[in-house]
Amino acid sequence: EVQLAESGGGLVQPGRSLRLSCSASGFTFGSYDMHWVRQSPGKGLEWVSSIGTAGDSYYSDSVKGRFTISRENAKKSLFLQMSSLRAGDTGVYYCARGRYYFDSDDYAQFEALDYWGQGVLVTVSP
Amino acid sequence: SSELTQDPAVSVALGQTVRITCQGDSLRIYHVSWYQQKPRQAPVLVISGKTNRPSGISDRFSGSYSGNTSSLTITGARAEDEADYYCCSRDSSAGHLHVVFGGGTKLTVL
Repeated sequence: EVQLAESGGGLVQPGRSLRLSCSASGFTFGSYDMHWVRQSPGKGLEWVSSIGTAGDSYYSDSVKGRFTISRENAKKSLFLQMSSLRAGDTGVYYCARGRYYFDSDDYAQFEALDYWGQGVLVTVSP
Repeated sequence: SSELTQDPAVSVALGQTVRITCQGDSLRIYHVSWYQQKPRQAPVLVISGKTNRPSGISDRFSGSYSGNTSSLTITGARAEDEADYYCCSRDSSAGHLHVVFGGGTKLTVL
């Protein structure tokens, strides 16, 4: 059974840092792209960052330069290092597994986030 | 970045059929996926690859697409279908793992 479990959330002051972790089980972790998605209180889902199987990383404009995604395949773990935190970063952070398909030119393309963790709450407040 | 547009709220009578739509230029090129999220729960994938339904998802859920619009259709709506629904796709203006979500549609079952 595929399982994802986030940890590391909590209350942090603006400008400080926090590191989220996501522990995976039930699948070959190193063979999948992984993503972080967040949800501010009462708001919709917002994609934050992703990392490919080769370690290539991508970020939303709202976190680029402040957040760093990484993975440790041997430990089946995904991380999100968050720095210079702002009140707008407050929310529930989910890790999710990515699924891809091959397009007509045989390129791998993002298809879906097929498994999600239960999320971890990050609160940025003085 | 690309944008995906959803109606903020839709309602359906119990037992009736409802269609939730998602519009965006990226949908002309890339696959869309749909997620159901109930209060205080993590999102759940209900449709992937525009029309594919994951194992365990009711066959009352189906996907379709035309041009820049993708639709999630729920037939025979039940009270348990009341939830927020989000579409998602690759952001066509950025790297291949750069993803974008629609704003979400709150479905009310009357």
